[in-house]
Amino acid sequence: SQTIHQWPATLVQPVGSPLSLECTVEGTSNPNLYWYRQAAGRGLQLLFYSVGIGQISSEVPQNLSASRPQDRQFILSSKKLLLSDSGFYLCAWREGIATNEKLFFGSGTQLSVL
Amino acid sequence: GENVEQHPSTLSVQEGDSAVIKCTYSDSASNYFPWYKQELGKRPQLIIDIRSNVGEKKDQRIAVTLNKTAKHFSLHITETQPEDSAVYFCAASGPSSYKLIFGSGTRLLVRP
Repeated sequence: SQTIHQWPATLVQPVGSPLSLECTVEGTSNPNLYWYRQAAGRGLQLLFYSVGIGQISSEVPQNLSASRPQDRQFILSSKKLLLSDSGFYLCAWREGIATNEKLFFGSGTQLSVL
Repeated sequence: GENVEQHPSTLSVQEGDSAVIKCTYSDSASNYFPWYKQELGKRPQLIIDIRSNVGEKKDQRIAVTLNKTAKHFSLHITETQPEDSAVYFCAASGPSSYKLIFGSGTRLLVRP
């Protein structure tokens, strides 16, 4: 069966520091991968998605970036964090062979920028 | 692009009553409509989904209805229980889109 791993679970970072969040999926090949952000008490905002290695689509201009160095690995990065980057970051995956299949979320990273 | 609006933002019901959450979407080509439940501090979990070739789908106490003409779909929870308390999100996706666009969420509180 497929599983998705996301780490770390919580992270406290000072303003201006770098960020790297990692997500890996097991049990599937060529998945579509996604990064969502959820501000406190708010909805799910799509940040990036990827349909293949090295292919990144950005939905929201910001100081975050994403990379997909391997088929089942998705990384969210920042060179300098802002206070507004605080939130709950969720990685998610979907089967890559069809665009209308179920989306599964990782356990999330609670990021606090102080 | 697709836009999904969800209401109400908060809903409080007495245990045993029914709860209804409604969503509208903008892209008439959208054909996949899932609903997610998110408990505090946890990941959203898929609870039910519907595709545009059907008008209604049920799973025990949960049902979803879809009106393609009006471009809206609804989640119905019957005989609500305290453990149904959570935030519920609707979403929509089209046949040529890799993206799942979410509504803003509904916080459901079931009072014992």
